Amino acid sequence: AQTVTQSQPEMSVQEAETVTLSCTYDTSESDYYLFWYKQPPSRQMILVIRQEAYKQQNATENRFSVNFQKAAKSFSLKISDSQLGDAAMYFCAYRSAVWENNNDMRFGAGTRLTVKP
Amino acid sequence: DVKVTQSSRYLVKRTGEKVFLECVQDMDHENMFWYRQDPGLGLRLIYFSYDVKMKEKGDIPEGYSVSREKKERFSLILESASTNQTSMYLCASSLWTAGGNTIYFGEGSWLTVV
Repeated sequence: AQTVTQSQPEMSVQEAETVTLSCTYDTSESDYYLFWYKQPPSRQMILVIRQEAYKQQNATENRFSVNFQKAAKSFSLKISDSQLGDAAMYFCAYRSAVWENNNDMRFGAGTRLTVKP
Repeated sequence: DVKVTQSSRYLVKRTGEKVFLECVQDMDHENMFWYRQDPGLGLRLIYFSYDVKMKEKGDIPEGYSVSREKKERFSLILESASTNQTSMYLCASSLWTAGGNTIYFGEGSWLTVV
């Protein structure tokens, strides 16, 4: 089974600076999808960014970008110009592209990001 | 926007009680999921459903059951609540097609079993 590892339980960043959250995963599949989700203190989980494994180009969404290293099975999230509203729990997730397996999404344990004013 | 609504945000139940957690989505999604979230463990899949009356066990189905009588509604049932089921429960939904579809989450239900 696929596993997702987030090795940083907590991170902090100064407002306006850049922070990188780490994620590694283990899979034998060649085609899959990777996600970063944000869970603010209000608790509703929302999608931050999504990466398709067959695409070499790293996904970008405004201040959020990823560094996808397929061979290393690494998928880090970079937040530029951090804002107070970025403070949340961030989850890395993996979803298979294999039809029989694609109804499940595997999550890491999460990284709690604190943004200091 | 997709809306996934969990009927109860905070519940306190006694050991041995039967507990129902209800979830409704408004986007005609085929897939629905129940996850449990615990500190340091992330989200763990309890059950998912890919169609009405269809269900599949996830990683931690013991002590839980589910019901999906209508496409938009997916219920999680704790037949006899125990203190180790105190947790945050998250409902989610997604489209059926290829695995890259985003999963959309509800706000979560905090369950305390005393």
